[in-house]
Amino acid sequence: DAGVTQSPTHLIKTRGQQVTLRCSPKSGHDTVSWYQQALGQGPQFIFQYYEEEERQRGNFPDRFSGHQFPNYSSELNVNALLLGDSALYLCASSLDLENTGELFFGEGSRLTVL
Amino acid sequence: GQQLNQSPQSMFIQEGEDVSMNCTSSSIFNTWLWYKQDPGEGPVLLIALYKAGELTSNGRLTAQFGITRKDSFLNISASIPSDVGIYFCAGAGGTSYGKLTFGQGTILTVHP
Repeated sequence: DAGVTQSPTHLIKTRGQQVTLRCSPKSGHDTVSWYQQALGQGPQFIFQYYEEEERQRGNFPDRFSGHQFPNYSSELNVNALLLGDSALYLCASSLDLENTGELFFGEGSRLTVL
Repeated sequence: GQQLNQSPQSMFIQEGEDVSMNCTSSSIFNTWLWYKQDPGEGPVLLIALYKAGELTSNGRLTAQFGITRKDSFLNISASIPSDVGIYFCAGAGGTSYGKLTFGQGTILTVHP
C-alpha cells in the first residue's frame, strides 16, 4: 500500500522563477492538503483540495496556487519565487468521509531559492 | 500564521527516563494530534485525540486532550534512542479537518 509520494525531493530555483511540486495521495484517499515548513518551525497550512477544487486556504498569497486531478493527485505551483519561499513543502492526504483530522504526510519537497 | 505554544522547545534526557511535553492554544480545537518528524522525513502520526478529557495510549506513548479543549500533553515512558526526533502537536477543528495548526515542535535528544 503506497503512502504519500512527492516529487521532486530537492530542487533549487532563483528568485522570480516558478516552481511546480507534485503529490500522489495514499491509496484510497481523496483529499490533499499542502503545508510549508520553514527551518525550525512547524508546518503551516497552505490549502486543501477536494473534488478537484480548493476547499480551504491558509494565509498565503495568490502566488501559491494548486490543482487536483481526477485521480486525486495534486500539484502546488509557486510563481515569482522569493528567498523566503525556501522551505520544505509537505503534502498530506486524508479521506474526506472520515473527517478525523488524521493526515498522512509525504517526505516533502525541499525548495531552495537563491 | 497562528501556531500553538509547545513546550519545552528541546529536551536532553538519558535513555530510560520518562518525557513530558505539552501544548496550549488560545483557541478551542475539536481534535488534538501528536506527530513525530525525523530528519529528512515528513511528520508521522503518533496519537489522535477526539474528546475533551480523553486519555489515549500507543505503546510507551500516552496523550491527553485537555478538558478546556485548549491544551494537550504527550508523555513518553522509558525512552529509547529511537525516540530521538522532533515532536509536534497539532489542533484541528471547524468545518474542515484538513487544516491543522501546528506547534513549534519539541526537539528530543536521548543519550544512551
